[in-house]
Amino acid sequence: EVQLVQSGAEVKKPGESLRISCKGSGYSFTSYWISWVRQMPGKGLEWMGRIDPSDSYTNYSPSFQGHVTISADKSITTAYLQWSSLKASDTAMYYCARPDYWGQGTLVTVSS
Amino acid sequence: EIVLTQSPATLSLSPGERATLSCRASQSVSSYLAWYQQKPGQAPRLVIYDASNRATGIPARFSGSGSGTDFTLTISSLEPEDFAVYYCQQRSETFGQGTKLEIK
Repeated sequence: EVQLVQSGAEVKKPGESLRISCKGSGYSFTSYWISWVRQMPGKGLEWMGRIDPSDSYTNYSPSFQGHVTISADKSITTAYLQWSSLKASDTAMYYCARPDYWGQGTLVTVSS
Repeated sequence: EIVLTQSPATLSLSPGERATLSCRASQSVSSYLAWYQQKPGQAPRLVIYDASNRATGIPARFSGSGSGTDFTLTISSLEPEDFAVYYCQQRSETFGQGTKLEIK
């Protein structure tokens, strides 16, 4: 069974760093790109960027380039999304997607 | 960056009726367009890929059409579980803003 299992909810303060994860199983992890998608409270889906786990090649939406970093470790079939300095406006649900399979989402709350 | 515009923003229909949702791209995306269904509190679910192919487990009442810049998702006879928000996405990148399909 194909699964993408994301790490748990996070509560952080502005300026803090964060890395969330997405572990793939039940398929060849290096055969499919993994995308990250943001959904702010009550809003639509926003594509942030994606990674090819076979070689860690990435491409980002211009809206998110420079604000987040996407990475992957194929040895443990896990993709990551990280921030070096969070802002309150980063509060959202974040999904990883294959894209025919999606993770359950990770809620990130940034508040002082 | 390619922009996807969905219409209408909200569609109010009754069970048994036919739903037609539109997605227009600012430039050609060939047939690289997908449709997703999202219900409250759930992750999106792939409905249609490559403009007209139903994803695994999607009922035959869902169909997709179009190519280039104009695409349509049709639900032939609405079931209660079909009421949700639908998003289009091009080339596994940008999404449209969504169409909320609500019960009339």
